[in-house]
Amino acid sequence: NAGVTQTPKFQVLKTGQSMTLQCAQDMNHEYMSWYRQDPGMGLRLIHYSVGAGITDQGEVPNGYNVSRSTTEDFPLRLLSAAPSQTSVYFCASSYGQGTPHSPNTEAFFGQGTRLTVV
Amino acid sequence: AQSVSQHNHHVILSEAASLELGCNYSYGGTVNLFWYVQYPGQHLQLLLKYFSGDPLVKGIKGFEAEFIKSKFSFNLRKPSVQWSDTAEYFCAVQSYNTDKLIFGTGTRLQVFP
Repeated sequence: NAGVTQTPKFQVLKTGQSMTLQCAQDMNHEYMSWYRQDPGMGLRLIHYSVGAGITDQGEVPNGYNVSRSTTEDFPLRLLSAAPSQTSVYFCASSYGQGTPHSPNTEAFFGQGTRLTVV
Repeated sequence: AQSVSQHNHHVILSEAASLELGCNYSYGGTVNLFWYVQYPGQHLQLLLKYFSGDPLVKGIKGFEAEFIKSKFSFNLRKPSVQWSDTAEYFCAVQSYNTDKLIFGTGTRLQVFP
């Protein structure tokens, strides 16, 4: 059981380049999300998905696109990288909406992708 | 909209000292509350969570947190910290309505032997 797998672990991009950060989970989780972690700012939600075919914006969505064609995968696309997107990116997944009757909503995180845009 | 405030940005303690990290959230509806820990160079791991019931919840490694609804707070406590508790601690809130999990800015804890 691999959990949440992110690739690549490290990436350097030039300004203006595009790339896709991959995220896959094998726990059949409905809910997946992308965060960026910056010093002093904690984790900020970029985009999230509550199931295949459904995505929504988080706190800082500009400059990023996502899609959710399968339950397992939730890639994050940078269309035109900017130095402000230098960050550590984390993908997370969970069973979904938290209620007292579905307590397994703990979010599991991937190992992170450290992205530098020069 | 949900928001989470962690007022302690950097805490330095000696081993065996007691710890309390503050967390306040802003949201009008029903929420789940979490504390996550990130050890140096690692990803986030769940420390403890509150969904309903007893407002005092116990987590791993001797940590506990108390949900005080009237104060919109979910403070993390540990009676006696260890050097191995050196890490960054994040409070997070998830609303029932939106599913979004929103994090605070984190508190960096350094414990010296």
